[in-house]
Amino acid sequence: DADVTQTPRNRITKTGKRIMLECSQTKGHDRMYWYRQDPGLGLRLIYYSFDVKDINKGEISDGYSVSRQAQAKFSLSLESAIPNQTALYFCATSDSRLAGSGEQFFGPGTRLTVL
Amino acid sequence: AQRVTQPEKLLSVFKGAPVELKCNYSYSGSPELFWYVQYSRQRLQLLLRHISRESIKGFTADLNKGETSFHLKKPFAQEEDSAMYYCALRSGNTGKLIFGQGTTLQVKP
Repeated sequence: DADVTQTPRNRITKTGKRIMLECSQTKGHDRMYWYRQDPGLGLRLIYYSFDVKDINKGEISDGYSVSRQAQAKFSLSLESAIPNQTALYFCATSDSRLAGSGEQFFGPGTRLTVL
Repeated sequence: AQRVTQPEKLLSVFKGAPVELKCNYSYSGSPELFWYVQYSRQRLQLLLRHISRESIKGFTADLNKGETSFHLKKPFAQEEDSAMYYCALRSGNTGKLIFGQGTTLQVKP
C-alpha cells in the first residue's frame, strides 16, 4: 500500500545537537508538510513544500529548516535543538490534483525529546 | 486572521449519550472545513469534510456561516469513538490546513 513513513520514530537528544527527521512517501503526492503536535496547542505547521523547488515557511518555522531532496522525500532539521522543541512531529502529504478535497495523509509521527 | 478554535480540551460522555464537539473558525471568504480524527496508536486521518455533507461513522457536521461554527455531532456515542478530534480550515486555494487545538473525546462504558 502507498504510505507515508517517518524515521526515526523516537529520538532523545541533548540541547545544542543537530537533528534530522526524515519523511518518505510512496503515494506519488507532490505536496508535503511538517507539523508539530503539542498538548493544548494542536497541530502547528512548520514548513510545507508544494514541489521539489518550492519551500515555504509555516507558522512556527524559527529554529527549523527543511530539505526536499526529491518528490518523495522531505526532511526536517533542527540545527541546534532546544528543550522547547520537545514534541511529536508529523509529516503529511497531499495531491495538488485533489487540492479541493483538503485531505492530507499523515505519517506515524516522530517523538522527539530534547534534554 | 485565519484561526480555528476548539474550546474543549476534553469531552467525556457515557456510551449512548449524544456528542457535540465544538469548532469555531475565523476566515474572510468562503471557508472549507474538515474534521480529522486520531484514534489511539493510529495515524491522524480525515473523518469528514463539510462540502461532502456526508455522515461518517454516524458523525455529521454542519457549517453555520452565521455563527462561524462547524460542530461535530453524533446522536449516540460508542466506546470506539474515543479519540482525539481536530477541526481544520483550508487556507485559500492551497492544500494548506489550519488546525484547531484538538478535543479528546472519552466515551465511558
